[in-house]
Amino acid sequence: DAKTTQPPSMDCAEGRAANLPCNHSTISGNEYVYWYRQIHSQGPQYIIHGLKNNETNEMASLIITEDRKSSTLILPHATLRDTAVYYCIVRVAGGSQGNLIFGKGTKLSVKP
Amino acid sequence: NAGVTQTPKFRILKIGQSMTLQCAQDMNHNYMYWYRQDPGMGLKLIYYSVGAGITDKGEVPNGYNVSRSTTEDFPLRLELAAPSQTSVYFCASSYSSTDQPQHFGDGTRLSIL
Repeated sequence: DAKTTQPPSMDCAEGRAANLPCNHSTISGNEYVYWYRQIHSQGPQYIIHGLKNNETNEMASLIITEDRKSSTLILPHATLRDTAVYYCIVRVAGGSQGNLIFGKGTKLSVKP
Repeated sequence: NAGVTQTPKFRILKIGQSMTLQCAQDMNHNYMYWYRQDPGMGLKLIYYSVGAGITDKGEVPNGYNVSRSTTEDFPLRLELAAPSQTSVYFCASSYSSTDQPQHFGDGTRLSIL
């Protein structure tokens, strides 16, 4: 599985958009980009995932560059409850194991 | 909407004791996983299962055993607890191995003293 690089921490003002970057320059054509978050040592929470196209759901948007070497998770209107560690993970398609390899993620602090 | 349920939430063990961490899912998922998370670190895979009767080792299996007799349940067994096994344990499940997300339980906090 390709490795990812994320900034260790970011701040965001409440009500503003939070844009979390992720570099995955060695990603293969069959690897998905997944985003999870973990709030205060709770179980990781799935946010969104994508392969090539941009994706949007009720929680966030995922923007993947055309060369797929980086992506951005967008929380459109961050709230204090979005304060968490956000993990960007690439995951190979067709693998028999399918486990997620977690790095250290980005600690997002949403401030009033 | 139970999802993935883990019990117990907290446990303190003495060195050398044994225990079983329970995990159950009600989503009819084929794949189930056990991870551990040490303080300030990401999750590491202990064992996984692709279906009832099939289990395999992950990255850090030493000191643990698993079984999968039903689709719903995937218990993790610690036979001889050691201080190095003090951690938070998360169980997860998914419908497929890659293009469907894993759903996690709330974890079991285990301290070995």
